[in-house]
Amino acid sequence: TAGITQAPTSQILAAGRSMTLRCTQDMRHNAMYWYRQDLGLGLRLIHYSNTAGTTGKGEVPDGYSVSRANTDDFPLTLASAVPSQTSVYFCASSGTGEADTQYFGPGTRLTVL
Amino acid sequence: GQNIDQPTEMTATEGAIVQINCTYQTSGFNGLFWYQQHAGEAPTFLSYNVLDGLEEKGRFSSFLSRSKGYSYLLLKELQMKDSASYLCAVSSNDYKLSFGAGTTVTVRA
Repeated sequence: TAGITQAPTSQILAAGRSMTLRCTQDMRHNAMYWYRQDLGLGLRLIHYSNTAGTTGKGEVPDGYSVSRANTDDFPLTLASAVPSQTSVYFCASSGTGEADTQYFGPGTRLTVL
Repeated sequence: GQNIDQPTEMTATEGAIVQINCTYQTSGFNGLFWYQQHAGEAPTFLSYNVLDGLEEKGRFSSFLSRSKGYSYLLLKELQMKDSASYLCAVSSNDYKLSFGAGTTVTVRA
């Protein structure tokens, strides 16, 4: 079972360019999440989706957008990248019960120059 | 807002026991998770506590005191492969997770 896949694995991007990070899960989970992980700050929630067709803002949503057209896919778009968006990005998915564990993808390492 | 605190680093010897503490102040509480994250990899689920007390899973145990806003992860019989970051995360009223910054555990021979 693939679980959650993310693409690309890593990317170097010029400031001002746009970029879409892809995330696909095959566990039929209703909820999906995007986090960024920075040294000393831990995982911070960017956007989330509790079910297909709905999205919500997390702790650090500015500069990012998401869509959830179907259950499996949850792409994250940077419309105009800035150096402060250099980070490791993790996608996760879970059921929607209170004890449901979040399962994480392998991550995308993004460098904005 | 959410406030979750855990030590930045801990070092222990192979075969020893290490206890990683986590204190939290959050708006609502629906449970506390511990994740393990090896360098360059994704976090993986270790444990979940929602009631006070100790949950044991092999060499790893997790404790929760809701009244004190406190949890710990206990790693016993440490092995070199246990060298990793350990993340404390709290599920709040909206079921989203808030993470601590993580504790890096280094196991020495």
